[in-house]
Amino acid sequence: AQTVTQSQPEMSVQEAETVTLSCTYDTSENNYYLFWYKQPPSRQMILVIRQEAYKQQNATENRFSVNFQKAAKSFSLKISDSQLGDTAMYFCAFPKGNNAGNMLTFGGGTRLMVKP
Amino acid sequence: DGGITQSPKYLFRKEGQNVTLSCEQNLNHDAMYWYRQDPGQGLRLIYYSQIVNDFQKGDIAEGYSVSREKKESFPLTVTSAQKNPTAFYLCASSTPRYPGGDGYTFGSGTRLTVV
Repeated sequence: AQTVTQSQPEMSVQEAETVTLSCTYDTSENNYYLFWYKQPPSRQMILVIRQEAYKQQNATENRFSVNFQKAAKSFSLKISDSQLGDTAMYFCAFPKGNNAGNMLTFGGGTRLMVKP
Repeated sequence: DGGITQSPKYLFRKEGQNVTLSCEQNLNHDAMYWYRQDPGQGLRLIYYSQIVNDFQKGDIAEGYSVSREKKESFPLTVTSAQKNPTAFYLCASSTPRYPGGDGYTFGSGTRLTVV
């Protein structure tokens, strides 16, 4: 079964500091995408960053980057120069598998609080 | 601009009532999904549809029903059989092709409260 685990239910970071959110997953597929979604207090789900599994290079989007370790099945999100607007729930997700099309499996989420 | 529209934003249900949550997309996506989110929790899949006139139960389908008569629309009915319906409901859509690099597009959600 495809599973996604986020082991940190809550985290906090000081404004302007760097924080890393962890995500591990289990799959038997070889090529897939991995995603991080952000859910701020408005509860609108926003795509933060995506990584294609067969690409060696870690994805980067401005202050957000990933550390993708395919062999270890680890996909952590690093937020640099944290801002108050980064306060949100963060969800890691990846597709369930070839027979399920593009249906995503989500982790349980990490609540991030950025403190002034 | 293309997107997903969920309505209403807030919905109140009396005990024993059925209520329907609307989800409409103009992204030409084949696949659509309904998720339930309880406070501080992750997303749990209620129903999904990968093509018009076909849908499948997710992990927590009991007490819910859906239809997919049009590609653009995937309404969710919360029936009186759902004993604890108070939650936040999210609709999403995607292209169905694996490995699907676009991920999901989400609606803005409906907060349902039993009164």
